[in-house]
Amino acid sequence: RKEVEQDPGPFNVPEGATVAFNCTYSNSASQSFFWYRQDCRKEPKLLMSVYSSGNEDGRFTAQLNRASQYISLLIRDSKLSDSATYLCAVYTSGTYKYIFGTGTRLKVLA
Amino acid sequence: GAVVSQHPSWVICKSGTSVKIECRSLDFQATTMFWYRQFPKQSLMLMATSNEGSKATYEQGVEKDKFLINHASLTLSTLTVTSAHPEDSSFYICSARGSGRTSNQPQHFGDGTRLSIL
Repeated sequence: RKEVEQDPGPFNVPEGATVAFNCTYSNSASQSFFWYRQDCRKEPKLLMSVYSSGNEDGRFTAQLNRASQYISLLIRDSKLSDSATYLCAVYTSGTYKYIFGTGTRLKVLA
Repeated sequence: GAVVSQHPSWVICKSGTSVKIECRSLDFQATTMFWYRQFPKQSLMLMATSNEGSKATYEQGVEKDKFLINHASLTLSTLTVTSAHPEDSSFYICSARGSGRTSNQPQHFGDGTRLSIL
C-alpha cells in the first residue's frame, strides 16, 4: 500500500460545480498535511495547510479525519482557472520528509 | 510568502555532461531542503533530503554518486547530476522548509529545472 494515495482522476466538472477530493495516508504518526496545486509543467504551489479542526480559504475547504486517516479538499463554485492537478502532502516528523500523493487532475469545463 | 529560487530553469546538454542545479531560499533560512524528480504525468518522487552542514539523506534507489548534493549554507543547496544520460532527463524540483519550530511548516518549491539530455 502506498503511503499517500489519491484518485488520479480526471474529475471533469462544469463551471460552478462543487467538487471534493480525498487523500488517504497510511502512517498514523503523520502530523502535518497540505494541499498543493500543480499546473502543467510547473512547480507545485501551496494551496493550503490542513488543520485538525478544518479550515477554509475562500472557495476552498480542507478537512482532516485522523480516525480514518484521510484529508479532503472541497472546491465550491468551480472556476475554469481551477483546472490543475491537486497534490496532497503528508509530513511525518519521525521521517523528516514530505510524502506526496500522485495528484488528482481536475478539469473545469465551460 | 516564502520564496525559493531555482536555477537554471531549463538545461539541454549532451550525454556525459554534468549539470549543476541551484536552489536558494530568498527570504528565510532553510535548514532542510528537498530534491524531487518528476517524470511526465507522474508524481513528485523524493530523491534526497538535504540538511545544512551535514550529508544528504538519499531515498532508496537514488545513486548518491550520481546525484551529488551540497547544502553549504542556510540559503543554498545544489544538486549536481554527474555524467548525465538521456534517462536522467526529467523535471527536477527543489523545495525548502523553514526553520520554524512548529511541525506544521509547509515546504515551498522552486520553479523547477527541466533537464533534457541529448
